[in-house]
Amino acid sequence: GAGVSQSPSNKVTEKGKDVELRCDPISGHTALYWYRQSLGQGLEFLIYFQGNSAPDKSGLPSDRFSAERTGGSVSTLTIQRTQQEDSAVYLCASSLRLAPTYNEQFFGPGTRLTVL
Amino acid sequence: KQEVTQIPAALSVPEGENLVLNCSFTDSAIYNLQWFRQDPGKGLTSLLLIQSSQREQTSGRLNASLDKSSGRSTLYIAASQPGDSATYLCAVRQETSGSRLTFGEGTQLTVNP
Repeated sequence: GAGVSQSPSNKVTEKGKDVELRCDPISGHTALYWYRQSLGQGLEFLIYFQGNSAPDKSGLPSDRFSAERTGGSVSTLTIQRTQQEDSAVYLCASSLRLAPTYNEQFFGPGTRLTVL
Repeated sequence: KQEVTQIPAALSVPEGENLVLNCSFTDSAIYNLQWFRQDPGKGLTSLLLIQSSQREQTSGRLNASLDKSSGRSTLYIAASQPGDSATYLCAVRQETSGSRLTFGEGTQLTVNP
């Protein structure tokens, strides 16, 4: 079946502009995650959605970052007033959440964001 | 704060060799550990997931072990092939961090023909 998809695959923007990154999780997966992969920083957690529960936003680096998940499926990560340090690959993952302890996460191909 | 370390950072081996990648974590209160591979410019592909109650998982030429009490996991790759060349990442899900994964920095593997 179809995996996690993300769009765009690449985004180049100018400092100060807003950007929106999209994630389509695997159909039926109730949990959705955003991570960021930066050079020299590895992969870091940003935000997690589970069903209708309040999202875990504890990984968002600043209030310029926000995310929504509409209808329990598609998610959009928005970065306002982009800065050069926001340049990274933004990865989305989803999981089926069969049980509290079972949580295999499947990742999309990522969006490479470059802020000039 | 959980810290995940992977050793070595890079490894180059001739084709056919068996190899072991290491992952260690500082907080043993984990739900599970997951191994991924990442090809250049691509996302992550899940290889193996080990629950905290398990000691190992196998998939084809891959075998992952987990020693939760000592905070260690290994990924064993048998009869390596050039197609195994990639960066291998381990990640843990902690009992106290909700569902987020904490990643190591990866081991970059090159298998030479």
